[in-house]
Amino acid sequence: KAGVTQTPRYLIKTRGQQVTLSCSPISGHRSVSWYQQTPGQGLQFLFEYFSETQRNKGNFPGRFSGRQFSNSRSEMNVSTLELGDSALYLCASSLSWGVNTEAFFGQGTRLTVV
Amino acid sequence: DAKTTQPPSMDCAEGRAANLPCNHSTISGNEYVYWYRQIHSQGPQYIIHGLKNNETNEMASLIITEDRKSSTLILPHATLRDTAVYYCIVINNYQLIWGAGTKLIIKP
Repeated sequence: KAGVTQTPRYLIKTRGQQVTLSCSPISGHRSVSWYQQTPGQGLQFLFEYFSETQRNKGNFPGRFSGRQFSNSRSEMNVSTLELGDSALYLCASSLSWGVNTEAFFGQGTRLTVV
Repeated sequence: DAKTTQPPSMDCAEGRAANLPCNHSTISGNEYVYWYRQIHSQGPQYIIHGLKNNETNEMASLIITEDRKSSTLILPHATLRDTAVYYCIVINNYQLIWGAGTKLIIKP
């Protein structure tokens, strides 16, 4: 059974550009969550999608957005990149993100903004 | 939101049991406790979760106190590959609320 796949694994962008990251969940999983990890702030929640609907959103500016497709694949987009957006972006999938289900993470996309 | 508190670091000898404590004194009645670990900036790996009963799987055991204010993750026979940052977290409103975790170092 394939795990969570995130593409690309590494990315270098320039300030002001935009970027799109992709996440393919485990087959059959309908919930996808996104997290940002930086050395200073640790892991922070970005948003969660279930059946193409955003159910929760973290405290990030509107430059961070996401969506989920009918096949459960998800993308997140960051516009007008800033140096502080450099981070490891992690995607997690689960069957139905409730109170008694585990989430499985991908290897992440390491974004460097220069 | 419930928050968790963990010691920043711990050492354990290879082959011994590693006991990682976690305090979650503000957890509410229907919030589960989850444990994940992260090895060298890879994606976090699920270990185990529980509500109020002790749980065991092929990786670890989870002991939750009766008042649910704290828990202990037990790795029964630690190996060098268990060196990682271990996170004790709760889920709230579809999101995992992460603390700083415990850096566990297994020594030969």
